[in-house]
Amino acid sequence: DAGVIQSPRHEVTEMGQEVTLRCKPISGHDYLFWYRQTMMRGLELLIYFNNNVPIDDSGMPEDRFSAKMPNASFSTLKIQPSEPRDSAVYFCASSLGSAVNEKLFFGSGTQLSVL
Amino acid sequence: DAKTTQPPSMDCAEGRAANLPCNHSTISGNEYVYWYRQIHSQGPQYIIHGLKNNETNEMASLIITEDRKSSTLILPHATLRDTAVYYCTGGTSYGKLTFGQGTILTVHP
Repeated sequence: DAGVIQSPRHEVTEMGQEVTLRCKPISGHDYLFWYRQTMMRGLELLIYFNNNVPIDDSGMPEDRFSAKMPNASFSTLKIQPSEPRDSAVYFCASSLGSAVNEKLFFGSGTQLSVL
Repeated sequence: DAKTTQPPSMDCAEGRAANLPCNHSTISGNEYVYWYRQIHSQGPQYIIHGLKNNETNEMASLIITEDRKSSTLILPHATLRDTAVYYCTGGTSYGKLTFGQGTILTVHP
């Protein structure tokens, strides 16, 4: 299995532009998570999905952020408009999510720089 | 979810055991204790998890105190490649984990 695949690996954009981050979870996993990591705040959970349905988006910082999961093999995190404070590494993770086995498998992340 | 407390940094000599402590005094009865690590510029990697009993796998051992208020991750023979940030976190069966600041483990020759 290729693991969780994120794209792009690096994204540099200007303030005000729309940014779309993409994630392909591990096949068969029914939970998908979006995390953001910064030096100041560490690793923060933004939103997670179960069977393509958003379960908890309380970590989404504001309305500029939105996430979708149109099918079991693809999710997007969109920021519109982007701001310099959105600069961070964004990780996607997936898991089987059973009561006993909750190992998260993380992607390599997207390094976002908003100028 | 449990709030966890870990020392910000630790050192270990290569070949020796690394013992990383974690305090999770607010953990609830159905929360598992999970350990992940993050090597620079990579996504976090699962290491081990447990509920009440001690656990061991090919990567590490997990010792959980009887009152479940703290745990220790043991890397029995640390190598230079074990240098990473180690996160202890608590999670329920609802698929949500939150991560604290972690411990920076430096393994030196």
